[in-house]
Formats: sequence, C-alpha cells, structure tokens
Amino acid sequence: AQRVTQPEKLLSVFKGAPVELKCNYSYSGSPELFWYVQYSRQRLQLLLRHISRESIKGFTADLNKGETSFHLKKPFAQEEDSAMYYCALGDAGGTSYGKLTFGQGTILTVHP
Amino acid sequence: NAGVTQTPKFQVLKTGQSMTLQCAQDMNHEYMSWYRQDPGMGLRLIHYSVGAGITDQGEVPNGYNVSRSTTEDFPLRLLSAAPSQTSVYFCASNHGRSGSNEQFFGPGTRLTVL
Repeated sequence: AQRVTQPEKLLSVFKGAPVELKCNYSYSGSPELFWYVQYSRQRLQLLLRHISRESIKGFTADLNKGETSFHLKKPFAQEEDSAMYYCALGDAGGTSYGKLTFGQGTILTVHP
Repeated sequence: NAGVTQTPKFQVLKTGQSMTLQCAQDMNHEYMSWYRQDPGMGLRLIHYSVGAGITDQGEVPNGYNVSRSTTEDFPLRLLSAAPSQTSVYFCASNHGRSGSNEQFFGPGTRLTVL
C-alpha cells in the first residue's frame, strides 16, 4: 500500500520568511513524487516533480529516499504563495497508470 | 486546447436523485481519473480508466459508476445521491506514454447533496 503524509494542515508565515511544507511517503516500489498547488477556487496545477529537479516560482523539493521525504521549500515566501499544497505519489515504473495518491494537503498562508 | 473540461461547475441535488458529472479532454490522453476532494482528506481516487472501454475502481468507488466509450469522455454517474457525496469532484487525465504520472486536472464540480 502507498501512503502520503503531510503533517501540517495549516502553515502560516510572514512575507519574506522561509517556508517548508513537509511530505513523507510510504511505498515499496519506485516512487515518483509531485507537488501540486491549488489557488483559491482554482483547479490543481503541477508545481514540481522530483524527476525534473527544477525550481518553480522559487520553490524547490528534493526527494530523500532514505528518509522517504519530499519536502517543499522556498527561502522567501510571497503573499501570492498563499494556497493549498498537495504532495502526491505515483509509481515511477508506470504501473500506477497515471493514478496518484495524495496527501491531506497543507494550507499555506503568507501574511504581509 | 481546452485541456480537461468539466460540467457542471456547481450542482445541488436532493438525497436519492441521480446525475452525471461530465468530463472531457482534448489532449488524446489514454488515462483518465476521477477524484473527490474533502477537507482534511486530500484527494481520493474514485474510478479510473486506462483507455476506451476499460475502467477500474479506485479507493472510494461506492455509489459511483463510470464508463469510457471514447478516449475523450469519462462521465461519472451518481446513482442515488447521499449527503456523504457532498464534495468537490475533479477529473484528471494523463497521456500515459512517457511513463510520467503527471495528472492534468479539470476545474472541478462542486456538488451539494441535501
């Protein structure tokens, strides 16, 4: 069975402060990890995936297989980062047929 | 490309009524999925399809039916609506060819069952 845990339901920071959204996963296969973001009343959109190792909107995330974590980080939060963030897990070998297992989500609020 | 589209945006039903949530994609994606989003629960998979004519159950399939007669469309049917089905429903698609599991999501349908 695969599982994704996001331990923080709510996270509040001030503008300019560093932010880290935690994500831990449990999976016996080869994982493919994603971060999705959902701005107020909008559809989910892909923010990052671990295989691309890129930085989007100043966010980065590194897959740590030893700690089974994929934490999302940004050194200087902006008000426009306020949103719901979901960590999601698929199988890198393609056996999950595009299905993803999502964490519970973390609502990030960045105060001015 | 419109991407993934869903109709309706909002719907209110009475307990026991049935309805179909529509989902279409114009990206020629093989894989399509339905998720429901509930506070504190994240997104949970209801049903998915790996191609026309092939569907399977996800984590929370009870009370829902799906069919996939074309590559483009993947409707979700609520057979007899219950208040526990009040949720936001997202349809998603994935091309399935590169091996990536990246999902492309529709705008969602907000359903209230009274």
